[in-house]
Amino acid sequence: GQQLNQSPQSMFIQEGEDVSMNCTSSSIFNTWLWYKQDPGEGPVLLIALYKAGELTSNGRLTAQFGITRKDSFLNISASIPSDVGIYFCAGPNYGQNFVFGPGTRLSVLP
Amino acid sequence: NAGVTQTPKFQVLKTGQSMTLQCAQDMNHEYMSWYRQDPGMGLRLIHYSVGAGITDQGEVPNGYNVSRSTTEDFPLRLLSAAPSQTSVYFCASRPRTGMRSPLHFGNGTRLTVT
Repeated sequence: GQQLNQSPQSMFIQEGEDVSMNCTSSSIFNTWLWYKQDPGEGPVLLIALYKAGELTSNGRLTAQFGITRKDSFLNISASIPSDVGIYFCAGPNYGQNFVFGPGTRLSVLP
Repeated sequence: NAGVTQTPKFQVLKTGQSMTLQCAQDMNHEYMSWYRQDPGMGLRLIHYSVGAGITDQGEVPNGYNVSRSTTEDFPLRLLSAAPSQTSVYFCASRPRTGMRSPLHFGNGTRLTVT
């Protein structure tokens, strides 16, 4: 089946710094989703992308659908402590399902 | 506005025991699914259902059974628990109306098999 890779696996940043992470696929996708998982909770959708080259923002978060359709990027500006969590990318898979990447774990130091 | 409700939140089993993880949603979603989350491996699909009476296998179905007798409920059964099934289990649902509908996740069941 489809497999997604996320980079970096984990990152430690200072509060106020900007964050960049990415997701790559071995196959072409027509949809990219970014989810965030807070500690002890289920993932929550942050941003959905449906077209190559699309750039979409949600507050301090900005995600881009790569023009090759095999990658996507998520940026967080001016990080704050509540940005801590695991960020997952996801794309469509067989049978109306989604495949998820392994996640990027973000820690924000005060 | 409950969304997706999973019970129990925590469970400890001995090897060989069986149990059922409960999942219920009150959003009238046709599609429901079960994922397991293991460190460094993301979320892997166990089983899914596109409507009442219809279920299918995901990426890692072995050792698990599901049924979908109603739209609201999608229980996951562990037939004979093994230590390899120690994980966090998430149930998720969405409308069946195409892939543009986001998944709504429950808060998970943390299972330990000793």
